[in-house]
Amino acid sequence: EVQLVESGGGLVQPGRSLRLSCAASGFTFDDYAMHWVRQAPGKGLEWVSGISWNSGSIGYADSVKGRFTISRDNAKNSLYLQMNSLRAEDTALYYCAKGPLGPTTVTSFDYWGQGTLVTVSS
Amino acid sequence: EIVMTQSPATLSVSPGERATLSCRASQSVSSNLAWYQQKPGQAPRLLIYGASTRATGIPARFSGSGSGTEFTLTISSLQSEDFAVYYCQQYNNWPLTFGQGTKVEIK
Repeated sequence: EVQLVESGGGLVQPGRSLRLSCAASGFTFDDYAMHWVRQAPGKGLEWVSGISWNSGSIGYADSVKGRFTISRDNAKNSLYLQMNSLRAEDTALYYCAKGPLGPTTVTSFDYWGQGTLVTVSS
Repeated sequence: EIVMTQSPATLSVSPGERATLSCRASQSVSSNLAWYQQKPGQAPRLLIYGASTRATGIPARFSGSGSGTEFTLTISSLQSEDFAVYYCQQYNNWPLTFGQGTKVEIK
């Protein structure tokens, strides 16, 4: 059974940093692209970032480019999101999501975690 | 960036009736279109990918159609568990983008 478990969320002041993690199990992690998708309270879904199986292809939404960094450790079956210079508008539930099998990072998301909440406020 | 526009924002349907949800892309996404269902307090669930292929375990009452810029999700006979918010998502280009969602509510 595919499982994605996010952690690392919390309350942080504007301008500070936070690192999210996603622990994956139930599939061969290094065969799949992975993504972060967020959802602000009461709002829709927004793709944040994606990374290919070998970290060779990485993409970001314009809203986070230059502030967030996605990475993965295939030996640990883990996905990360380093978030710097956080803003109030980054407040959201952050989901880890798995892409389908294939080399591309431009994908749909076939499994999702339950999310970790990030609140940016002074 | 490809803008995805869903309509209507809210759809009021009686159980057993048919629901038709629309999604329009600002430029062609070929068939690189997915649909998700999200219930309150839950993560989204993939329903359809490739515009018309049901994901694993998705009931046959869910069907998708379209290509290019116009897409439709049809729920043939609404069950109580189908009342939720539905999102479309294009994966033809980065950045990956979602529609704003259609809420299907009980009439």
